[in-house]
Amino acid sequence: AQKITQTQPGMFVQEKEAVTLDCTYDTSDQSYGLFWYKQPSSGEMIFLIYQGSYDEQNATEGRYSLNFQKARKSANLVISASQLGDSAMYFCAMREGGPYNQGGKLIFGQGTELSVKP
Amino acid sequence: NAGVTQTPKFQVLKTGQSMTLQCAQDMNHNSMYWYRQDPGMGLRLIYYSASEGTTDKGEVPNGYNVSRLNKREFSLRLESAAPSQTSVYFCAASYQPQHFGDGTRLSIL
Repeated sequence: AQKITQTQPGMFVQEKEAVTLDCTYDTSDQSYGLFWYKQPSSGEMIFLIYQGSYDEQNATEGRYSLNFQKARKSANLVISASQLGDSAMYFCAMREGGPYNQGGKLIFGQGTELSVKP
Repeated sequence: NAGVTQTPKFQVLKTGQSMTLQCAQDMNHNSMYWYRQDPGMGLRLIYYSASEGTTDKGEVPNGYNVSRLNKREFSLRLESAAPSQTSVYFCAASYQPQHFGDGTRLSIL
């Protein structure tokens, strides 16, 4: 069965420094997608970045990058130049099947709470 | 939040009461989803609808029913609310990526 594991319940980082949030996954599918979402204290879920299992390059979106190591089944989120507004809960999620999979169901990890210190 | 609207935002119920959580999207996506979020557990899928007229169970469907009224609307119903259903409920649309509503905070006393 598919599973997402986030082993860091909480992380601290100094403003302007980079931070890596860990995510490992387990699936028997060859085709899958990996997502990161941010949930600030206000509660909404904000999509950050996506990596497909067949994508050869690591995904990047502005200050966010995804360090995808397929053999290790890890999909770590790297936030560069942390800002105070980055303080939030971060969730890693996985969807089995390709981009046109009709189900599209996501399995979420338990989340990592990131606190950025001034 | 862009495109997915949930109502109500907050609700308090007594055990045994029923209620329906409403969700509407204006993005013309086929797929819609209902999740619940409990402290320390991330989001878990309750039900989903891959297209208008179809619904399927997710990871935690017990105690819930859903209706895909049309392409825009996907409702979640609690027939007889229980304290274990106290949670934050999120509706989402599309699947790559999924766009979430702002959530409904539901407390059952």
